[in-house]
Amino acid sequence: DQQVKQNSPSLSVQEGRISILNCDYTNSMFDYFLWYKKYPAEGPTFLISISSIKDKNEDGRFTVFLNKSAKHLSLHIVPSQPGDSAVYFCAASESNAGNMLTFGGGTRLMVKP
Amino acid sequence: KAGVTQTPRYLIKTRGQQVTLSCSPISGHRSVSWYQQTPGQGLQFLFEYFSETQRNKGNFPGRFSGRQFSNSRSEMNVSTLELGDSALYLCASSLGGTQGSPLHFGNGTRLTVT
Repeated sequence: DQQVKQNSPSLSVQEGRISILNCDYTNSMFDYFLWYKKYPAEGPTFLISISSIKDKNEDGRFTVFLNKSAKHLSLHIVPSQPGDSAVYFCAASESNAGNMLTFGGGTRLMVKP
Repeated sequence: KAGVTQTPRYLIKTRGQQVTLSCSPISGHRSVSWYQQTPGQGLQFLFEYFSETQRNKGNFPGRFSGRQFSNSRSEMNVSTLELGDSALYLCASSLGGTQGSPLHFGNGTRLTVT
């Protein structure tokens, strides 16, 4: 049973526009959420995180929104750049589980010049 | 600062053999986690070590084991390899082993079992 789901396997966006990647979770014990970016032949790279006590966190072009009641989070990238083309994973953890992350299946983002 | 280093990058083994993968964390990081990535199951947590103690374990059979040394370096071992063990094995380290310290991943070891 998938506790973290990314329902869109791929997303194509024009350079300069907004990219919105979505993630849903079912485990109400999750209280910390992260987004990672992965290029081929490399390990995932940490992008941004959010604690369940917040509903928004920003870092430069990246903003993560958390809707606890809907068990939904999203990553906004504005403006999108061709170098953002990669696979994006959302991940979640429980406070008593150390670094045990549960990952979504990933969304492949393609930013067209 | 050097990142997480995993060796070897590629490995080909035969069914029934065993394999050991190595991970050197970022200097100063005390937590090391291992993940398996396959096309069908995605990224799945194997186990986490903190200060040489296994702190969490994922839902994998006992053929998968690991350890952490006093210098925080870690190894994972898979015995009696099966075809389904073919995967990218990723190691990640973090500073404090708590939620506030994001994981930093290595580039992985690609294991192929024939």
